[in-house]
Amino acid sequence: DAGVTQSPTHLIKTRGQQVTLRCSPKSGHDTVSWYQQALGQGPQFIFQYYEEEERQRGNFPDRFSGHQFPNYSSELNVNALLLGDSALYLCASSLWTANQPQHFGDGTRLSIL
Amino acid sequence: AQSVSQHNHHVILSEAASLELGCNYSYGGTVNLFWYVQYPGQHLQLLLKYFSGDPLVKGIKGFEAEFIKSKFSFNLRKPSVQWSDTAEYFCAVKHSGGGADGLTFGKGTHLIIQP
Repeated sequence: DAGVTQSPTHLIKTRGQQVTLRCSPKSGHDTVSWYQQALGQGPQFIFQYYEEEERQRGNFPDRFSGHQFPNYSSELNVNALLLGDSALYLCASSLWTANQPQHFGDGTRLSIL
Repeated sequence: AQSVSQHNHHVILSEAASLELGCNYSYGGTVNLFWYVQYPGQHLQLLLKYFSGDPLVKGIKGFEAEFIKSKFSFNLRKPSVQWSDTAEYFCAVKHSGGGADGLTFGKGTHLIIQP
């Protein structure tokens, strides 16, 4: 039973560039959430996707955008990268209709130079 | 906005000691509560969850947590810790029910168990 998979595992970018991170949810899950985890902090909710639509958004600027595909996989896009965007980006999947916990992937470590 | 407060950022214990990690949340509604653990080099894993019913919930690896609604608390406990419990522990909360809702996490507690 495949868990949540994320790619790439590590990424180095420079300020002003754009980045796309990818996530495949756990088998059977239909909802994908994205989180940003800065060093020494807990994960912060970015947004959540269900039925290819953004359903809820945390306190992140419009530079952060996403997409969900018909197969439930998802992408996180960040434009005009800032040094402060350096973090571990976590994807979590779950079921929309039930009280079920979110399952997390290993994350993508993004470093901005 | 809801928030989660974890009282201890770093805890150091000896093997076989008892553990209690504090978690308080602020939210005026019905909540679901979670404890996640992040072992070194691994992804976040669910330790235990509370949705409804018995406020004392048992999770994996001998962990348990008690939901005290009047205190807005969900403290994590383990009677006797092992070296392998060394990890980062996160308390998290969300609105009850399905549908759209991201988790709000605390800042985490770094637990070190000395042999």
